[in-house]
Amino acid sequence: GQQLNQNPQSMFIQEGEDVSMNCTSSSIFNTWLWYKQDPGEGPVLLIALYKAGELTSNGRLTAQFGITRKDSFLNISASIPSDVGIYFCAGQQPASGNTPLVFGKGTRLSVIA
Amino acid sequence: NAGVMQNPRHLVRRRGQEARLRCSPMKGHSHVYWYRQLPEEGLKFMVYLQKENIIDESGMPKERFSAEFPKEGPSILRIQQVVRGDSAAYFCASSPQGANSPLHFGNGTRLTVT
Repeated sequence: GQQLNQNPQSMFIQEGEDVSMNCTSSSIFNTWLWYKQDPGEGPVLLIALYKAGELTSNGRLTAQFGITRKDSFLNISASIPSDVGIYFCAGQQPASGNTPLVFGKGTRLSVIA
Repeated sequence: NAGVMQNPRHLVRRRGQEARLRCSPMKGHSHVYWYRQLPEEGLKFMVYLQKENIIDESGMPKERFSAEFPKEGPSILRIQQVVRGDSAAYFCASSPQGANSPLHFGNGTRLTVT
């Protein structure tokens, strides 16, 4: 099935640093979503993107829907310890009817205080 | 407004037993999705249901796994004759509409097969 490639797989950063991660695909998507998962919990939606070129912010988080519709990135500014977790991108391909979300394998973020 | 509720949170089964995982979607949501997550992996789609209908089960193993979303009550993911490889976290998500509406996830059921 369709796969999304997330990079990097893991990151170790100092508190206060900015973070950037991305997600790429060989196929076009008409929706990109970014989720965060804390240990023992379900993914929580951070940002949803619906249009190529769209740039959306949610607090210190900013995400963009790539112009080619084959990629998206997520930036976190001024990281804090509670940003620790796994960040997943998810996409939905254009198709008639309902197609399920496809998830990347995640970027594991560790923040060193 | 209660979120997606899954129970149990943890389930231990011996090989050969049956596992039943329950999911109550958010209020007003009629679309339910089940995903499986292995350690260090992303979420893999299993099945998409609306009330009393299976819309897409392309991610479900052909044998031992079944899902339902009855007119009344929660959605159920049923795994018969569990094997060790079924050990994983199973997440349910719901949405108010199907295509292009974000999914809201529950906290999952962690199945351990001994």
